[in-house]
Amino acid sequence: EVQLVESGGGLVKPGGSLRLSCAASGFTFSSYSMNWVRQAPGKGLEWVSSISSGSSYIYYADSVKGRFTISRDNAKNSLLLQMNSLRAEDTAVYFCARADTAMVTSVFWEKWGQGTLVTVSS
Amino acid sequence: QSVLTQPPSASGTPGQRVTISCSGSSSNIGSNYVYWYQQLPGTAPKLLIYRNNQRPSGVPDRFSGSKSGTSASLAISGLRSEDETDYYCATWDDSLSGPVFGGGTKLTVL
Repeated sequence: EVQLVESGGGLVKPGGSLRLSCAASGFTFSSYSMNWVRQAPGKGLEWVSSISSGSSYIYYADSVKGRFTISRDNAKNSLLLQMNSLRAEDTAVYFCARADTAMVTSVFWEKWGQGTLVTVSS
Repeated sequence: QSVLTQPPSASGTPGQRVTISCSGSSSNIGSNYVYWYQQLPGTAPKLLIYRNNQRPSGVPDRFSGSKSGTSASLAISGLRSEDETDYYCATWDDSLSGPVFGGGTKLTVL
């Protein structure tokens, strides 16, 4: 069974850092591109970042570019999101999602984690 | 402001057919596949329609998708109370080099 489990969320002060993880199991992790999507409280879905299967292609939303870094460890079946210089507007539930191919341009995201809450507040 | 435009709300009565629109541009819907996601409160989004009009296994055929030019639509026929939730369209945007979502539509079953 395919499983994606996010962790690392919590309360952090503005300007602080947090590192999110997404542990994958039940499939060949290295064959699929992966994504982070967030949802602020009471708001819609917002794409954050995507990484291709071999990490050759990486994309960021303008809202996080220069502050967030996506990476993956295919040996450990793990997706990471390093978040620096956090702002109040980064407060959201962060989901990891698996695409259907190695290509990062696919928005066929059939598998999702349950999400982890990040709260940025003083 | 979302790149893709959806109506914030839609409604219908049980058994009725409702449609939710998603409007974009030539750099997104006009040149890429459209996907639809259903999100129940407090849960992760669920893929409802892929590649404009395909349903993943397990999605009832009451749900259908279509695309024309720079717009797409999700149709739900035989409306049921459990369909009352949020729906999002999504696609890749060639200009932004990333996926884009609609703002979401809250469907109410009256």
